[in-house]
Amino acid sequence: RKEVEQDPGPFNVPEGATVAFNCTYSNSASQSFFWYRQDCRKEPKLLMSVYSSGNEDGRFTAQLNRASQYISLLIRDSKLSDSATYLCVVNEGNRKLIWGLGTSLAVNP
Amino acid sequence: DAGITQSPRHKVTETGTPVTLRCHQTENHRYMYWYRQDPGHGLRLIHYSYGVKDTDKGEVSDGYSVSRSKTEDFLLTLESATSSQTSVYFCAIRGAGGEQYFGPGTRLTVT
Repeated sequence: RKEVEQDPGPFNVPEGATVAFNCTYSNSASQSFFWYRQDCRKEPKLLMSVYSSGNEDGRFTAQLNRASQYISLLIRDSKLSDSATYLCVVNEGNRKLIWGLGTSLAVNP
Repeated sequence: DAGITQSPRHKVTETGTPVTLRCHQTENHRYMYWYRQDPGHGLRLIHYSYGVKDTDKGEVSDGYSVSRSKTEDFLLTLESATSSQTSVYFCAIRGAGGEQYFGPGTRLTVT
């Protein structure tokens, strides 16, 4: 079983749609969690950290379920500019991050 | 902007030649990382550093070496480049919450 698993997609949604991505992780002792966004041929950029109580940043909501070992990202009112690959990332507390392979999102006009 | 630059941004080299990639940061971060990213494999850690002269291997370290003689610079060397090392190389630093911030990447082609 991979340490961090994501559905690769692609997710094709119309503008204005709500879309959700899930990610599962294998190490129950994982300490912190992040969502990154990566545009084609660019570096990954931190989108948001994921807190135990869940957190929201504008149209983006991240949630953590430690019991089931998954995290989620919800994007509301999708924009064309949201088209990218979204990477789920887990910090197991050993100075290194564990990266998912990413979920591809295409928002269509 | 985490103040990370990488050089060169693009490089084409021949099999068997040595190649050195440079990562430079301006904010005195202790931890620095080198990744490669390939289709179907995602980001894979090559080496990382936790201080000047302190480095450790990642999951794909074979064929690569690193050096960190100053806090701000982390060098990645391919001693004898092979076609399998054609990739995009990203440098990153570690933030206060364990997150990482990346440089713009270097596209390396080994012919």
